[in-house]
Amino acid sequence: NAGVTQTPKFQVLKTGQSMTLQCAQDMNHEYMSWYRQDPGMGLRLIHYSVGAGITDQGEVPNGYNVSRSTTEDFPLRLLSAAPSQTSVYFCASTIPGRGEQYFGPGTRLTVT
Amino acid sequence: SQKIEQNSEALNIQEGKTATLTCNYTNYSPAYLQWYRQDPGRGPVFLLLIRENEKEKRKERLKVTFDTTLKQSLFHITASQPADSATYLCALPTNTNAGKSTFGDGTTLTVKP
Repeated sequence: NAGVTQTPKFQVLKTGQSMTLQCAQDMNHEYMSWYRQDPGMGLRLIHYSVGAGITDQGEVPNGYNVSRSTTEDFPLRLLSAAPSQTSVYFCASTIPGRGEQYFGPGTRLTVT
Repeated sequence: SQKIEQNSEALNIQEGKTATLTCNYTNYSPAYLQWYRQDPGRGPVFLLLIRENEKEKRKERLKVTFDTTLKQSLFHITASQPADSATYLCALPTNTNAGKSTFGDGTTLTVKP
């Protein structure tokens, strides 16, 4: 199993540009989440999904959209990038009731 | 909403000693609490989960305690090694949904040879 994969690893955007961060998992996990991590800080939940077709907002959802059309994929869309969205983005998946989350390697995004 | 405090941003210890990291939380008591390890430039890796009815859990050189009265978890690494140097995060479920968790800011442990 590849586990949780994320692309791209690095991205530089100009203010106002849009892009999609990709996340895929091959463990058949129902739950998937997106977090952002700023320097010296913990992870903050952006959006999460409890299954295909079901998504909900986390702590910091503004400026981001998600959709979940399959169990495997959970893309995160930045609608109009802002410098405040400069961060490292992590995708994670988990099995309902198990608790432990499996994280991808992250995408480092810089918005200039 | 749940608020988590981890004892300090950085902890430096000598190789062979026991490292003790603290995680304190406010508000409701969660059904379980988790600890993760994060190395620079990498995603967090799950280490241990302890449930509310468990006082202590061990895995090799790791030990986690969970005191729901004090609203605190302690994470111990015995016989620490330089390879244990990393940032350690504690996490609690935000609700009964396992996919929604709140993370602490982490404690960066440095083990010196």
